[in-house]
Amino acid sequence: AQSVTQPDIHITVSEGASLELRCNYSYGATPYLFWYVQSPGQGLQLLLKYFSGDTLVQGIKGFEAEFKRSQSSFNLRKPSVHWSDAAEYFCAVGSTDSWGKLQFGAGTQVVVTP
Amino acid sequence: DVKVTQSSRYLVKRTGEKVFLECVQDMDHENMFWYRQDPGLGLRLIYFSYDVKMKEKGDIPEGYSVSREKKERFSLILESASTNQTSMYLCASSWLGPEPYEQYFGPGTRLTVT
Repeated sequence: AQSVTQPDIHITVSEGASLELRCNYSYGATPYLFWYVQSPGQGLQLLLKYFSGDTLVQGIKGFEAEFKRSQSSFNLRKPSVHWSDAAEYFCAVGSTDSWGKLQFGAGTQVVVTP
Repeated sequence: DVKVTQSSRYLVKRTGEKVFLECVQDMDHENMFWYRQDPGLGLRLIYFSYDVKMKEKGDIPEGYSVSREKKERFSLILESASTNQTSMYLCASSWLGPEPYEQYFGPGTRLTVT
């Protein structure tokens, strides 16, 4: 069965500092990986996704993520955070035999301080 | 732009009431999903549907049922609401295909059962 672990429940970062959110997955075949962001009071919005090819994926809002098969990881990064990046971030994994279903991690809450 | 709308942003119901949560998408997506979001647990799939009148149980279907009479509309039903169903409910839709496509989310319904 697929599973997704986001080890950090809560991260505090200063505005302008770099951010890295960790995501580890468990799945035997090639995973399809996603990062979503949820701003307060909103639904989830896709930041980026990895299906195949280049292991460094660029997304919206200046985010990128790197797929590392050897570490079963898909970490999300941003070089310089803005106050508007304060939100909850979810990693998700899917597969070709899941009928489009995704398994979501528990989420990481990001707080941005001035 | 894909739009997924949910009938209510906030809902307060009494224990034992029958509750209907409605979701409508405008992109002709085959797949529709209902999730429950609780702090520290991420998103958990309640039910999903890949076609009209088709439904599949997710990870936590107990206490819930669904209805999909039209392609664009997917309803979640709490037959007899209980306090442990107080939660944020998110609806999503996506294409159905050989790969797991991006899911588009509604803004969520925060349900309180008293």
